[in-house]
Amino acid sequence: GENVEQHPSTLSVQEGDSAVIKCTYSDSASNYFPWYKQELGKGPQLIIDIRSNVGEKKDQRIAVTLNKTAKHFSLHITETQPEDSAVYFCAASQVNRDDKIIFGKGTRLHILP
Amino acid sequence: NAGVTQTPKFRVLKTGQSMTLLCAQDMNHEYMYWYRQDPGMGLRLIHYSVGEGTTAKGEVPDGYNVSRLKKQNFLLGLESAAPSQTSVYFCASRTEPANYEQYFGPGTRLTVT
Repeated sequence: GENVEQHPSTLSVQEGDSAVIKCTYSDSASNYFPWYKQELGKGPQLIIDIRSNVGEKKDQRIAVTLNKTAKHFSLHITETQPEDSAVYFCAASQVNRDDKIIFGKGTRLHILP
Repeated sequence: NAGVTQTPKFRVLKTGQSMTLLCAQDMNHEYMYWYRQDPGMGLRLIHYSVGEGTTAKGEVPDGYNVSRLKKQNFLLGLESAAPSQTSVYFCASRTEPANYEQYFGPGTRLTVT
């Protein structure tokens, strides 16, 4: 079945530096790739998503890139701030499939002062 | 607009006891989901519903049952709790096939002793 691998599991970066989290997926039919941020004690919240018809999407300090040939996608956070500390989940899904959204195991991002 | 709410926030059960977790959403969403989150395992889908009166199995359905008698509510039941069901449970909802953003509740932390 579909599998989503996410790396690294933990990432520490100095405040102001960039952070990159990478994911690979196994099902070539996947065409929707969301990223969720989970703060301590809360449920995950969508921060950005990308569909397979684009290679990159940017929203202020956050960007996501997608390489469908290699079946991997990445989250890039620039100019990191303390409030970026959280757990980030990537996921892969097929449009029009109700259940088939598979999450990666998560990356705990620490922003160091 | 409360979004997605979950009841209770915390619960401790003894092995063999039963309980029901309640998820409620006030966004008129068709789709609702139950996930469990375990350390290092990401989010795994237990059951989901594509509308009032419908339910379907996800990735890890064993030991759980669900009901969607009203559109706004999605109940997750544990008939005979086991220590392996110790986890944080998240409910999520989304509006329609074309909009894939899932809105998550704050979670229920369940411990089975």
